[in-house]
Amino acid sequence: DQQVKQNSPSLSVQEGRISILNCDYTNSMFDYFLWYKKYPAEGPTFLISISSIKDKNEDGRFTVFLNKSAKHLSLHIVPSQPGDSAVYFCAARAGGSYIPTFGRGTSLIVHP
Amino acid sequence: DTAVSQTPKYLVTQMGNDKSIKCEQNLGHDTMYWYKQDSKKFLKIMFSYNNKELIINETVPNRFSPKSPDKAHLNLHINSLELGDSAVYFCASSQDIGLAVEQFFGPGTRLTVL
Repeated sequence: DQQVKQNSPSLSVQEGRISILNCDYTNSMFDYFLWYKKYPAEGPTFLISISSIKDKNEDGRFTVFLNKSAKHLSLHIVPSQPGDSAVYFCAARAGGSYIPTFGRGTSLIVHP
Repeated sequence: DTAVSQTPKYLVTQMGNDKSIKCEQNLGHDTMYWYKQDSKKFLKIMFSYNNKELIINETVPNRFSPKSPDKAHLNLHINSLELGDSAVYFCASSQDIGLAVEQFFGPGTRLTVL
């Protein structure tokens, strides 16, 4: 039962353009959402998060949008850079549970 | 100065063997975790220790036994390895259980069972 879904296994974007990575969830108890970035042969690293009381959080080139009614969040990277090429994991935490549930990741490739 | 380190990075072994993976964090965190990333790429929590005490034990075969000699270390011992145990195992840590969402991950150990 996949409670966090990243339906696009891969995404290819030109350098300088916007990258949009999508994530859907099914558990209405999720109240905190995160994005992790993972390079090959490394562990995931925390990128950005958003609480369910907000609908947008921005950190430099990275912005996460949350649409609770649609149970959907997205990560926008503007402008995309080749160094952003990595696997991006969406994760969500339900209130009362400390451990996030991860999606299976989307591989982003940014072409020079 | 690696924050969360795991050894070995790669582990190839035969079915039925017993093996251990070691994890150390130098961040001064109170909470450590083991995750398994299976062939479908999902990261799934296996165990969590807070101040050397087991606090989360997901549905994992009892062939898997975590051991935390101190707050900075969380080792994973696997008995009677099976083909289905082949995966990448990640260790992680967080400042405390309340801040579990901001976890720092090790580089992973790729286990291949032949």
